Amino acid sequence: QVQLVQSGAEVRKPGTSMKVSCKASGYTFTGYYIHWVRQAPGQGLEWMGWIDPLSGDTSSSQRFQGRVSMTRDTSIDTAYMQLSSLKSDDTAVYYCTRAGAYGAYGVYYGLDVWGQGTSVTITS
Amino acid sequence: DIQMTQFPSSLSASIGDRVTITCRANQSISNYLNWYQQRVGKAPKLLIYIASRLQSGVPSRFSGTGSGTDFTLTIASLQPEDFATYYCQQTYSAPLTPLTFGQGTRVDVK
Repeated sequence: QVQLVQSGAEVRKPGTSMKVSCKASGYTFTGYYIHWVRQAPGQGLEWMGWIDPLSGDTSSSQRFQGRVSMTRDTSIDTAYMQLSSLKSDDTAVYYCTRAGAYGAYGVYYGLDVWGQGTSVTITS
Repeated sequence: DIQMTQFPSSLSASIGDRVTITCRANQSISNYLNWYQQRVGKAPKLLIYIASRLQSGVPSRFSGTGSGTDFTLTIASLQPEDFATYYCQQTYSAPLTPLTFGQGTRVDVK
């Protein structure tokens, strides 16, 4: 079945970086953009950015520009999201999620498959 | 950036109630609006895309309407598994960013 499986929980110190992986299965990885969404404790959903697994092109929210890097390894159908210069308010659950259709406008069809989430705690 | 505002932020309802949640954009987004359900401790689940299209496998008691700036999600007859938080998301600005979410509406037991 179509699924996204994320890496496990992380604890990081302020100023360091984190990297979450997202392994896709059950579909053509390069056909659908992967988006990243985070959720701070008790808060709502915050969209972070996307990567086109085919080309490697990315786009991210201005809030994270300069700190976020989204990459992929098509040989193992895995996307990665790295966030650097971590602060306490980066503590959150990070989700990878798939756009619902092919191509740049696939997200019009919603984010239809979600990973299980990766809890990241930033603490000194 | 396009701002999305949901209301109410929370509501209490009983099984069988008709529930309506509203989402408003600060500019026209045509019909590029999605709705998600998030149960406690779980990942979000897509319910509705392009304002009114029901995602495969989602019960027909869920429906979405609207275009331009005002949108609604309706649950025709609330079921026990529907107690959750609901989020709207605009995708009008795709593939540019950000694809903003509303702040969420929590539906709990009256």
